Amino acid sequence: GESVGLHLPTLSVQEGDNSIINCAYSNSASDYFIWYKQESGKGPQFIIDIRSNMDKRQGQRVTVLLNKTVKHLSLQIAATQPGDSAVYFCAENRDQGAQKLVFGQGTRLTINP
Amino acid sequence: KAGVTQTPRYLIKTRGQQVTLSCSPISGHRSVSWYQQTPGQGLQFLFEYFSETQRNKGNFPGRFSGRQFSNSRSEMNVSTLELGDSALYLCASSLEGSYFEPQHFGDGTRLSIL
Repeated sequence: GESVGLHLPTLSVQEGDNSIINCAYSNSASDYFIWYKQESGKGPQFIIDIRSNMDKRQGQRVTVLLNKTVKHLSLQIAATQPGDSAVYFCAENRDQGAQKLVFGQGTRLTINP
Repeated sequence: KAGVTQTPRYLIKTRGQQVTLSCSPISGHRSVSWYQQTPGQGLQFLFEYFSETQRNKGNFPGRFSGRQFSNSRSEMNVSTLELGDSALYLCASSLEGSYFEPQHFGDGTRLSIL
Protein backbone atom coordinates (compact mmCIF):
# COMPACT_ATOMS: atom_id res chain seq x y z
CA GLY A 1 0.00 0.00 0.00
CA GLU A 2 0.95 3.62 -0.15
CA SER A 3 3.12 4.82 2.70
CA VAL A 4 5.48 7.44 3.95
CA GLY A 5 8.66 6.03 5.37
CA LEU A 6 11.94 7.08 6.86
CA HIS A 7 15.22 5.39 6.00
CA LEU A 8 16.73 5.13 9.48
CA PRO A 9 15.01 4.85 12.87
CA THR A 10 17.97 6.41 14.70
CA LEU A 11 20.68 8.92 13.86
CA SER A 12 23.54 10.00 16.08
CA VAL A 13 25.60 13.12 15.28
CA GLN A 14 28.24 15.24 16.96
CA GLU A 15 27.22 18.60 18.33
CA GLY A 16 28.01 21.26 15.75
CA ASP A 17 27.81 18.88 12.79
CA ASN A 18 25.05 18.96 10.19
CA SER A 19 22.25 16.37 10.39
CA ILE A 20 20.41 14.88 7.44
CA ILE A 21 17.18 12.97 8.00
CA ASN A 22 15.65 11.17 5.04
CA CYS A 23 12.13 10.23 4.07
CA ALA A 24 10.72 8.30 1.13
CA TYR A 25 7.15 8.37 -0.09
CA SER A 26 5.31 6.14 -2.51
CA ASN A 27 2.38 8.26 -3.69
CA SER A 28 3.53 10.12 -6.79
CA ALA A 29 0.47 12.37 -6.56
CA SER A 30 1.57 13.76 -3.19
CA ASP A 31 1.73 17.56 -3.28
CA TYR A 32 2.43 18.71 0.25
CA PHE A 33 4.94 17.53 2.83
CA ILE A 34 5.62 18.61 6.39
CA TRP A 35 8.40 17.91 8.87
CA TYR A 36 7.60 17.71 12.58
CA LYS A 37 9.83 17.46 15.66
CA GLN A 38 8.58 15.61 18.72
CA GLU A 39 10.38 15.94 22.03
CA SER A 40 9.78 13.57 24.90
CA GLY A 41 6.42 14.17 26.56
CA LYS A 42 5.29 16.68 23.97
CA GLY A 43 3.25 16.73 20.80
CA PRO A 44 4.73 17.09 17.30
CA GLN A 45 6.01 20.59 16.60
CA PHE A 46 5.84 22.02 13.09
CA ILE A 47 9.30 22.68 11.62
CA ILE A 48 8.94 23.36 7.91
CA ASP A 49 6.78 22.40 4.94
CA ILE A 50 7.22 22.16 1.20
CA ARG A 51 4.92 21.96 -1.79
CA SER A 52 5.59 19.73 -4.76
CA ASN A 53 6.19 22.72 -7.05
CA MET A 54 9.37 23.44 -5.08
CA ASP A 55 12.53 21.38 -4.67
CA LYS A 56 14.07 23.29 -1.78
CA ARG A 57 12.90 25.43 1.08
CA GLN A 58 14.92 26.99 3.87
CA GLY A 59 14.08 28.02 7.39
CA GLN A 60 16.14 28.94 10.38
CA ARG A 61 18.98 26.35 10.45
CA VAL A 62 16.79 23.90 8.55
CA THR A 63 16.45 23.06 4.86
CA VAL A 64 14.03 20.65 3.26
CA LEU A 65 14.87 19.11 -0.11
CA LEU A 66 12.32 17.40 -2.31
CA ASN A 67 13.21 15.08 -5.17
CA LYS A 68 10.00 14.15 -6.96
CA THR A 69 11.81 11.94 -9.47
CA VAL A 70 12.81 9.41 -6.81
CA LYS A 71 10.04 10.39 -4.37
CA HIS A 72 12.40 11.39 -1.61
CA LEU A 73 12.65 14.29 0.77
CA SER A 74 15.20 15.18 3.39
CA LEU A 75 15.52 17.51 6.34
CA GLN A 76 18.90 19.10 6.91
CA ILE A 77 19.70 20.69 10.26
CA ALA A 78 22.75 22.93 10.31
CA ALA A 79 25.13 23.12 13.28
CA THR A 80 23.18 20.59 15.35
CA GLN A 81 22.61 21.57 18.98
CA PRO A 82 21.63 19.52 22.06
CA GLY A 83 18.13 21.02 21.83
CA ASP A 84 17.70 19.34 18.45
CA SER A 85 17.51 15.93 20.15
CA ALA A 86 14.05 14.59 19.34
CA VAL A 87 12.13 12.28 17.03
CA TYR A 88 11.60 13.75 13.57
CA PHE A 89 8.63 12.82 11.41
CA CYS A 90 7.87 13.52 7.80
CA ALA A 91 4.20 13.67 6.87
CA GLU A 92 2.12 14.21 3.78
CA ASN A 93 -1.42 15.48 3.46
CA ARG A 94 -3.39 12.75 1.71
CA ASP A 95 -6.72 14.50 1.23
CA GLN A 96 -7.05 17.20 -1.43
CA GLY A 97 -10.33 18.41 0.00
CA ALA A 98 -9.46 18.38 3.67
CA GLN A 99 -6.64 17.53 6.02
CA LYS A 100 -5.45 14.02 6.65
CA LEU A 101 -1.79 13.64 7.54
CA VAL A 102 0.00 10.35 6.92
CA PHE A 103 3.17 10.09 8.98
CA GLY A 104 6.39 8.19 8.60
CA GLN A 105 7.68 6.09 11.51
CA GLY A 106 10.11 8.74 12.71
CA THR A 107 13.87 9.09 13.15
CA ARG A 108 15.30 9.60 16.64
CA LEU A 109 18.12 12.15 16.49
CA THR A 110 20.70 11.94 19.27
CA ILE A 111 23.36 14.62 19.74
CA ASN A 112 26.76 13.59 21.09
CA PRO A 113 28.65 16.28 23.03
CA LYS B 1 -1.33 33.22 21.37
CA ALA B 2 -1.97 30.03 23.31
CA GLY B 3 -1.35 26.74 21.55
CA VAL B 4 -3.59 23.72 21.24
CA THR B 5 -4.76 22.66 24.70
CA GLN B 6 -5.74 19.10 25.50
CA THR B 7 -7.33 17.88 28.72
CA PRO B 8 -6.74 15.81 30.68
CA ARG B 9 -3.04 15.11 30.17
CA TYR B 10 -3.24 11.64 31.69
CA LEU B 11 -6.10 9.22 32.11
CA ILE B 12 -6.38 5.69 33.45
CA LYS B 13 -9.41 3.60 32.61
CA THR B 14 -10.39 -0.07 32.71
CA ARG B 15 -11.61 -2.27 29.90
CA GLY B 16 -15.24 -1.74 28.95
CA GLN B 17 -15.40 1.83 30.19
CA GLN B 18 -15.79 4.86 27.97
CA VAL B 19 -13.74 8.06 27.89
CA THR B 20 -14.08 11.61 26.57
CA LEU B 21 -11.07 13.69 25.66
CA SER B 22 -11.16 17.42 25.10
CA CYS B 23 -9.29 19.74 22.74
CA SER B 24 -9.25 23.53 22.50
CA PRO B 25 -7.68 24.68 19.23
CA ILE B 26 -5.52 27.74 18.71
CA SER B 27 -7.72 30.81 18.84
CA GLY B 28 -9.28 31.44 15.43
CA HIS B 29 -8.55 27.98 14.09
CA ARG B 30 -11.58 26.24 12.64
CA SER B 31 -10.22 22.82 11.72
CA VAL B 32 -9.50 20.21 14.37
CA SER B 33 -8.02 16.77 13.73
CA TRP B 34 -7.36 13.85 16.04
CA TYR B 35 -4.53 11.31 15.85
CA GLN B 36 -3.58 8.22 17.82
CA GLN B 37 0.09 7.57 18.54
CA THR B 38 1.35 4.15 19.63
CA PRO B 39 4.86 2.62 19.58
CA GLY B 40 3.74 -0.09 17.18
CA GLN B 41 1.57 1.81 14.70
CA GLY B 42 3.03 5.29 15.00
CA LEU B 43 0.82 8.29 14.32
CA GLN B 44 -2.52 7.43 12.76
CA PHE B 45 -5.30 9.76 11.65
CA LEU B 46 -8.63 9.39 13.43
CA PHE B 47 -10.85 12.16 12.08
CA GLU B 48 -11.05 15.82 11.13
CA TYR B 49 -13.73 18.37 11.93
CA PHE B 50 -14.41 21.72 10.31
CA SER B 51 -17.31 24.01 11.19
CA GLU B 52 -18.88 21.31 13.36
CA THR B 53 -18.86 18.77 10.50
CA GLN B 54 -16.73 15.66 10.20
CA ARG B 55 -14.93 15.98 6.88
CA ASN B 56 -12.70 12.96 7.02
CA LYS B 57 -12.36 9.75 8.96
CA GLY B 58 -9.54 7.26 9.36
CA ASN B 59 -9.69 3.48 9.60
CA PHE B 60 -10.81 3.11 13.18
CA PRO B 61 -13.83 1.23 14.52
CA GLY B 62 -17.08 2.98 15.31
CA ARG B 63 -16.19 2.97 19.01
CA PHE B 64 -14.15 6.05 18.20
CA SER B 65 -16.25 9.14 17.65
CA GLY B 66 -15.91 12.87 17.91
CA ARG B 67 -17.66 16.15 17.63
CA GLN B 68 -16.90 19.81 17.26
CA PHE B 69 -18.72 22.68 18.89
CA SER B 70 -19.58 26.10 17.49
CA ASN B 71 -16.55 27.62 19.22
CA SER B 72 -14.34 25.06 17.39
CA ARG B 73 -13.53 23.14 20.56
CA SER B 74 -13.63 19.41 19.97
CA GLU B 75 -14.13 16.23 21.93
CA MET B 76 -13.44 12.65 21.06
CA ASN B 77 -15.09 9.69 22.70
CA VAL B 78 -14.00 6.09 22.88
CA SER B 79 -16.57 3.58 24.09
CA THR B 80 -16.09 0.01 25.33
CA LEU B 81 -12.39 0.54 25.90
CA GLU B 82 -9.96 -2.22 24.96
CA LEU B 83 -6.38 -2.76 26.10
CA GLY B 84 -5.20 -1.84 22.61
CA ASP B 85 -6.68 1.64 22.97
CA SER B 86 -3.83 2.58 25.27
CA ALA B 87 -2.08 5.37 23.40
CA LEU B 88 -1.26 9.04 23.21
CA TYR B 89 -4.17 10.88 21.63
CA LEU B 90 -3.16 14.05 19.85
CA CYS B 91 -5.28 16.92 18.69
CA ALA B 92 -4.17 19.30 15.94
CA SER B 93 -5.68 22.49 14.60
CA SER B 94 -5.30 24.71 11.58
CA LEU B 95 -6.82 27.99 10.53
CA GLU B 96 -8.93 26.97 7.56
CA GLY B 97 -8.20 23.28 7.23
CA SER B 98 -6.96 23.77 3.70
CA TYR B 99 -4.72 21.29 1.92
CA PHE B 100 -1.52 23.38 1.93
CA GLU B 101 -1.78 24.37 5.55
CA PRO B 102 0.22 22.78 8.38
CA GLN B 103 -1.51 21.45 11.44
CA HIS B 104 -0.36 22.45 14.91
CA PHE B 105 -0.45 19.85 17.65
CA GLY B 106 -1.20 19.85 21.34
CA ASP B 107 0.80 17.77 23.81
CA GLY B 108 -1.79 15.02 23.88
CA THR B 109 -3.74 12.95 26.37
CA ARG B 110 -1.98 9.79 27.53
CA LEU B 111 -4.68 7.12 27.93
CA SER B 112 -3.84 3.91 29.78
CA ILE B 113 -6.25 0.98 29.87
CA LEU B 114 -5.92 -1.52 32.70
